Amino acid sequence: SAVISQKPSRDICQRGTSLTIQCQVDSQVTMMFWYRQQPGQSLTLIATANQGSEATYESGFVIDKFPISRPNLTFSTLTVSNMSPEDSSIYLCSVEDSSLAGGNYYGYTFGSGTRLTVV
Amino acid sequence: GEDVEQSLFLSVREGDSSVINCTYTDSSSTYLYWYKQEPGAGLQLLTYIFSNMDMKQDQRLTVLLNKKDKHLSLRIADTQTGDSAIYFCAESTDSSASKIIFGSGTRLSIRP
Repeated sequence: SAVISQKPSRDICQRGTSLTIQCQVDSQVTMMFWYRQQPGQSLTLIATANQGSEATYESGFVIDKFPISRPNLTFSTLTVSNMSPEDSSIYLCSVEDSSLAGGNYYGYTFGSGTRLTVV
Repeated sequence: GEDVEQSLFLSVREGDSSVINCTYTDSSSTYLYWYKQEPGAGLQLLTYIFSNMDMKQDQRLTVLLNKKDKHLSLRIADTQTGDSAIYFCAESTDSSASKIIFGSGTRLSIRP
């Protein structure tokens, strides 16, 4: 399957600052996804990032708070802007991974996540 | 809207079978997944099933799908301490890349 390198793995940040999370994939992928997992919660999709176009944000998430870059088919960044303690979460990137099975199956591989604590 | 529900906790004795249950609401679900999240780690795809299948077996894992009742289960045979993790049920509704809807996760703990 695709191998995803996500950095940083964890960080503690001051409120009001911003943090950029990087996601590097070892193969070219069309779509990359950014998720948030709040403490003790499930995963919530923040946005879908396609190369060469603006990211598509889910309800409740806006570009000013979570700007995303997708400069090429193997890389994306998510910035958490003007952070507050409520932004403390694990942030995960994900890619569709057709290598997980053949044919028309679209599986998803996840990075190891970035554990963010805002103080 | 789409919803995926799971019980939050399950405790089993080492060597017994674990059965984690999941219900979903979207009848157009095409793919159903089980992901495993170990402490401090990302999500690992354990197994998946197409909506036109009833059962899938992969070594110690058995997935059962009751499409009529929109019920999915994951059975882990001979549960080991290394199986301790949070297990997420998830579904997607299209054969092209689309968002996955995750359940809340079931925390599986193993007792000796």
